[in-house]
Amino acid sequence: AQSVTQPDIHITVSEGASLELRCNYSYGATPYLFWYVQSPGQGLQLLLKYFSGDTLVQGIKGFEAEFKRSQSSFNLRKPSVHWSDAAEYFCAVGVYSGGGADGLTFGKGTHLIIQP
Amino acid sequence: DAGITQSPRYKITETGRQVTLMCHQTWSHSYMFWYRQDLGHGLRLIYYSAAADITDKGEVPDGYVVSRSKTENFPLTLESATRSQTSVYFCASSLGGGSGNTIYFGEGSWLTVV
Repeated sequence: AQSVTQPDIHITVSEGASLELRCNYSYGATPYLFWYVQSPGQGLQLLLKYFSGDTLVQGIKGFEAEFKRSQSSFNLRKPSVHWSDAAEYFCAVGVYSGGGADGLTFGKGTHLIIQP
Repeated sequence: DAGITQSPRYKITETGRQVTLMCHQTWSHSYMFWYRQDLGHGLRLIYYSAAADITDKGEVPDGYVVSRSKTENFPLTLESATRSQTSVYFCASSLGGGSGNTIYFGEGSWLTVV
């Protein structure tokens, strides 16, 4: 079965500093990978996704992520964070099952705190 | 662009009562999903549906029942609520099957079982 690990439960970053959130996955085939963001009291919003092709994926709000097959990783990055980026971030892997969708398997999330 | 609407957004119920969480989507997406979100567990799939009248179990289906008589609705029922079912529940949908399709989430239903 597939799994996703987000090693950092909390990360604190100063406003204007760069950000990298780590995500490692376990899956036998080429995965479909996603990053979602959840603001307090809200649902999940898709930041970006990787299906195939270029391993560097651009998303919304200035985020990008790089798929590294050799490391089974899909880390999320942003060159300069803003206070509004404070939120919970979830990495997810999508799989097929018998031609249908099993939905997504999520990591446990990383809580991002922005210091002024 | 209504998207996915969940109701109620907040609910407190007693142990043993039946509770139904509603989910309605306006995109005519084929696939719909129910997840629960708990501290320390992230999001876990409860049930999903590939089309009207087709449903299947996810990772944590015990204690829940779903139905999908219409494409746009996917209600989740807790037949006899337990305290362990206190959680935030998210309904989601995607255009087609396979994980190549983006899954879109509703805003969540906060359920407390006392």
